[in-house]
Amino acid sequence: DGGITQSPKYLFRKEGQNVTLSCEQNLNHDAMYWYRQDPGQGLRLIYYSQIVNDFQKGDIAEGYSVSREKKESFPLTVTSAQKNPTAFYLCASKNRGLDTQYFGPGTRLTVL
Amino acid sequence: GENVEQHPSTLSVQEGDSAVIKCTYSDSASNYFPWYKQELGKGPQLIIDIRSNVGEKKDQRIAVTLNKTAKHFSLHITETQPEDSAVYFCAASIQSGSARQLTFGSGTQLTVLP
Repeated sequence: DGGITQSPKYLFRKEGQNVTLSCEQNLNHDAMYWYRQDPGQGLRLIYYSQIVNDFQKGDIAEGYSVSREKKESFPLTVTSAQKNPTAFYLCASKNRGLDTQYFGPGTRLTVL
Repeated sequence: GENVEQHPSTLSVQEGDSAVIKCTYSDSASNYFPWYKQELGKGPQLIIDIRSNVGEKKDQRIAVTLNKTAKHFSLHITETQPEDSAVYFCAASIQSGSARQLTFGSGTQLTVLP
């Protein structure tokens, strides 16, 4: 099966702890994206990467960090500096030269 | 940067009726407009998209129209069915070099009443 996997589906952490969300794709897509979704709001871009070992900040990058060491993987770390980390996090990918972004199933992070 | 506004935020229709969701965008350089459907607890799925060189596109019961002059685009769903109930998001996108970023609207919760 080709697609985007995000794990885990639900994640609970204590305030002040860093947490890493996983995103893996086997679509051979070049670009990968992380979005945050809050209730009643649209998706907001956190970080994106067009190629391995390169990434750019999106609109709300503060308190987050990413890495892109492999083409198929784009993990997101939510640091303790993120003021309000509880949200639904979505990973997406797309092929270079094409427009469509494909989304994973999401990870719901709750910080207690 | 780009700003996308979406209306209405909630929409209830009777099964078999049509549903229309409208979006406006601010940046005239935007040239790609996808629509996504998101079911509860899942990631968004692309249902239809349109590019700025086209005024209308249709796929079975779903159609999208684009008015570049007015900077607005709309999603039309005909003969609605209960399985159409979901949150629908519009987005606008600008190509910058090799990167294409999407700016999303705030979503419309569509409920189709049986």
